[in-house]
Amino acid sequence: DSGVTQTPKHLITATGQRVTLRCSPRSGDLSVYWYQQSLDQGLQFLIHYYNGEERAKGNILERFSAQQFPDLHSELNLSSLELGDSALYFCASSVAGANVLTFGAGSRLTVL
Amino acid sequence: ILNVEQSPQSLHVQEGDSTNFTCSFPSSNFYALHWYRWETAKSPEALFVMTLNGDEKKKGRISATLNTKEGYSYLYIKGSQPEDSATYLCAFGNSGNTPLVFGKGTRLSVIA
Repeated sequence: DSGVTQTPKHLITATGQRVTLRCSPRSGDLSVYWYQQSLDQGLQFLIHYYNGEERAKGNILERFSAQQFPDLHSELNLSSLELGDSALYFCASSVAGANVLTFGAGSRLTVL
Repeated sequence: ILNVEQSPQSLHVQEGDSTNFTCSFPSSNFYALHWYRWETAKSPEALFVMTLNGDEKKKGRISATLNTKEGYSYLYIKGSQPEDSATYLCAFGNSGNTPLVFGKGTRLSVIA
């Protein structure tokens, strides 16, 4: 157990639907990162939050949004889902920016 | 857009063989280079974080070197064992405030 908790572990849904992925960072970590791992792609950075504030955005689609709450947990909302959104979504946390990342187990999303 | 390249993409070695693989990254604006090990069905785990040109890190049979002037890092595994089978990811950071950029990884399979 890395200390980073992601739910759900698996999710199967249909095109056009909306899902929310949840992440609780390791105790003491203020930074939360979301990454997407698609087939044959490396880990693609989506978005970074630090202590409740958005710090950086990567290749995150407009249909996707995220937030970090006062208790530091984060949610990634994916809407109007398309087949191509099927991927493994990782949350990672760190004490601050650019420090060692601790990854959660990932949420595997399948869009049918 | 920062480009982090890893080679080879995959590698099959016999148990007991020593092996190495490469991570190439931009040689300008270097802040840190991370190596992560990602076993199937698990989450990536940090192996090394290197920040200084010429850094060498070692953990058991695994070691890494860093050349920031020419923009590469090598990961070495001595006497490979089946439990070393995993995908090895490198990640480049160009500042303390920007997210890490990951390579696509090198998938290592060690055959007993």
